[in-house]
Amino acid sequence: DTGVSQDPRHKITKRGQNVTFRCDPISEHNRLYWYRQTLGQGPEFLTYFQNEAQLEKSRLLSDRFSAERPKGSFSTLEIQRTEQGDSAMYLCASSSPRQAINEKLFFGSGTQLSVL
Amino acid sequence: AQSVTQPDIHITVSEGASLELRCNYSYGATPYLFWYVQSPGQGLQLLLKYFSGDTLVQGIKGFEAEFKRSQSSFNLRKPSVHWSDAAEYFCAVGVLLAGGTSYGKLTFGQGTILTVHP
Repeated sequence: DTGVSQDPRHKITKRGQNVTFRCDPISEHNRLYWYRQTLGQGPEFLTYFQNEAQLEKSRLLSDRFSAERPKGSFSTLEIQRTEQGDSAMYLCASSSPRQAINEKLFFGSGTQLSVL
Repeated sequence: AQSVTQPDIHITVSEGASLELRCNYSYGATPYLFWYVQSPGQGLQLLLKYFSGDTLVQGIKGFEAEFKRSQSSFNLRKPSVHWSDAAEYFCAVGVLLAGGTSYGKLTFGQGTILTVHP
């Protein structure tokens, strides 16, 4: 168990550029979540995958945001035409296929995005 | 819609003192409640959770929390704080996701930063 891995740890970009983040969940975990955390706030849910299917998206996920999990393993989160308001920590979490009440989410350390 | 309020943004305690972090929630159904801890550069780590049953739940690192439905609260406690407990603590309520197989859609409070003095 190597934990949830996120890459890169930090990303600095200019407004209007596109950025892509990667999340590698724990190997046997079929559920994957993306959250966003701004300074001084708790994380906010963005989207949820079960295997390769994206089952739920928050209305926070505007049309500039797209997430994929093509083979049910790693996931990518892309932000197009970045805005300064996109500056945040983007967190990924995964969990194993067990009964919902026994589920435990494992979070990665996040990707810190700064949009200049 | 569900919401979580953590009234204390920052708490300072002395090492060895007791600790209570407050959490109030708003949710229309029976809540599924969590406490997470986040240290700098580390991922969120689950301390404990409540779904049903005994309203006093035990977690890791000597933490416990008590669910009080009448007060819509889920306060976190520790009898004796260690310097290594300094971190940010988040209370969250879980909502059942599409497909009914996951409570991983968490609504977090804004967090309480804990400082521990020697």
